[in-house]
Amino acid sequence: GAGVSQSPSNKVTEKGKDVELRCDPISGHTALYWYRQRLGQGLEFLIYFQGNSAPDKSGLPSDRFSAERTGESVSTLTIQRTQQEDSAVYLCASSFSGGLRGEQYFGPGTRLTVT
Amino acid sequence: GENVEQHPSTLSVQEGDSAVIKCTYSDSASNYFPWYKQELGKRPQLIIDIRSNVGEKKDQRIAVTLNKTAKHFSLHITETQPEDSAVYFCAASMGNQFYFGTGTSLTVIP
Repeated sequence: GAGVSQSPSNKVTEKGKDVELRCDPISGHTALYWYRQRLGQGLEFLIYFQGNSAPDKSGLPSDRFSAERTGESVSTLTIQRTQQEDSAVYLCASSFSGGLRGEQYFGPGTRLTVT
Repeated sequence: GENVEQHPSTLSVQEGDSAVIKCTYSDSASNYFPWYKQELGKRPQLIIDIRSNVGEKKDQRIAVTLNKTAKHFSLHITETQPEDSAVYFCAASMGNQFYFGTGTSLTVIP
């Protein structure tokens, strides 16, 4: 079946512009995660959704970052007034139930470059 | 919060040898420990996981061990093959949050 998809696959933007990144999880997966991966680095947790709610927003690096999820499906990660340090691959993952019982399936990522 | 450390950052082994990657975690409440493999330019994929009520789990050439007292867990790959070359990430989870290690770049030399 279809896996997790993300769009766009690549995004180049000028410093100061806003960007929206989209994630389509596997159908029926109630949990959705966003991570940031800087070049050669590990995965940095950003935010987690259970259904349409985000019980934990502690990973968002600044108030320029926000995310929403609708219909217990698609999620968008918005970065306002982008900075060069925002350049990274943004990965989305979904799991059936989250937490202990939920293997995460990752999307291909969106490579964001801020010039 | 949880802090996961992973070592080594790079590892080179001869084909057929074993590779071991170690992770430590700080929060004793963590109870789920997955390992992900990320090939160059691709997404991370789960290769094995272990829950806190188990000390060891094996799947063909891959095994994971967990020492809850010492708060560390390890990935063991035996009879390594060139296709095992990738970056491996450990993670520790409690509830719905996942904390990842910084990754180990494994190179298997033919």
